[in-house]
Amino acid sequence: DVKVTQSSRYLVKRTGEKVFLECVQDMDHENMFWYRQDPGLGLRLIYFSYDVKMKEKGDIPEGYSVSREKKERFSLILESASTNQTSMYLCASSDDRGDADTQYFGPGTRLTVL
Amino acid sequence: EDQVTQSPEALRLQEGESSSLNCSYTVSGLRGLFWYRQDPGKGPEFLFTLYSAGEEKEKERLKATLTKKESFLHITAPKPEDSATYLCAETQGGSEKLVFGKGTKLTVNP
Repeated sequence: DVKVTQSSRYLVKRTGEKVFLECVQDMDHENMFWYRQDPGLGLRLIYFSYDVKMKEKGDIPEGYSVSREKKERFSLILESASTNQTSMYLCASSDDRGDADTQYFGPGTRLTVL
Repeated sequence: EDQVTQSPEALRLQEGESSSLNCSYTVSGLRGLFWYRQDPGKGPEFLFTLYSAGEEKEKERLKATLTKKESFLHITAPKPEDSATYLCAETQGGSEKLVFGKGTKLTVNP
């Protein structure tokens, strides 16, 4: 079974803090994704990565950056957290083999910025 | 612009009362159509991938179908544990990006 884990289920930070959200997948997937999910807006893609050290902007990259130094790990960074970044953050991964495109999600991190 | 529209937004069923959820997708260039289940406070759980019109997939009480312009998730004799939000998403040719609908919140009463 595919397993995607996220470093924290709940996180509370203060405005202006630098925040790191970590995601690890154990299935040797090439592709990894970061989304945020807000009521009424659905899931929106922040950034994704096709390979180590590669990154592509999604639909809402402003205020975020990412890092992928190893294939299994994809980090989302909030350089200076703001209250409008309070949200549920979801990581996903997929591979280029077999049932391509199918993304498998982690349990999510609910981030509150005060 | 890619757009995935799900209906209804919310659906209440009695246990055993079968129904269908609808997902309209961007017709041209569809690469894959996906269904996920999401429980409150958790990440989406993968259910089905459909690639071409006429394709059907089943899992327990759920059956997903794909036509040339929409997909249906049929729920046969639902149970309270089927209560969740069901999400539909598409990928378009040349892109790995999933475009999600806003979901249908299903409640099954005992």
